[in-house]
Amino acid sequence: DVKVTQSSRYLVKRTGEKVFLECVQDMDHENMFWYRQDPGLGLRLIYFSYDVKMKEKGDIPEGYSVSREKKERFSLILESASTNQTSMYLCASSSLVDYGYTFGSGTRLTVV
Amino acid sequence: AQKITQTQPGMFVQEKEAVTLDCTYDTSDQSYGLFWYKQPSSGEMIFLIYQGSYDEQNATEGRYSLNFQKARKSANLVISASQLGDSAMYFCAMRDNTGGFKTIFGAGTRLFVKA
Repeated sequence: DVKVTQSSRYLVKRTGEKVFLECVQDMDHENMFWYRQDPGLGLRLIYFSYDVKMKEKGDIPEGYSVSREKKERFSLILESASTNQTSMYLCASSSLVDYGYTFGSGTRLTVV
Repeated sequence: AQKITQTQPGMFVQEKEAVTLDCTYDTSDQSYGLFWYKQPSSGEMIFLIYQGSYDEQNATEGRYSLNFQKARKSANLVISASQLGDSAMYFCAMRDNTGGFKTIFGAGTRLFVKA
């Protein structure tokens, strides 16, 4: 079964900490995405990547960075976590011919 | 700029009845794709159905159909014969098909199926 795996289901971090959210896919997909989901706002795109070492800003990149050193892994980095980054983070991947995304199960991050 | 609007924060439907979830979109692109995803309480997003902007027929996948009205820029999801397991959040989404695979999502509609 194809999979997108996010390393943590729940995470609690302190304000100012550097936070790494990891996402791994086993489908050899070219495209990978990070979204955050907040009630009433739907999913908003943070960053995406079309290829190894390649990244593009989404709609809300401020306060975040990403890394894609290998095709299967796409990491989201919160350089200095703040309380307004408390959210559900969803990773997704797709191939060049896919219609839809395959999503991971999400990481619920709480910054205290 | 592209935009997806879902105006129904919550919907109720009786089991075995049909329900329509509304979605309107705004884009100046000619080639785009429209999607619906389901998110049960477990949190995982599940791809349901896809409609391309040039597809003349409405997409169908089992009990799901997408009522695509291009001139009105609407892409409503119709679920026939609702089941208790259909209770979930539903998101409408749109992707620019001309380059890249960036997808934007609506705010979602929570569907409650009553026994």
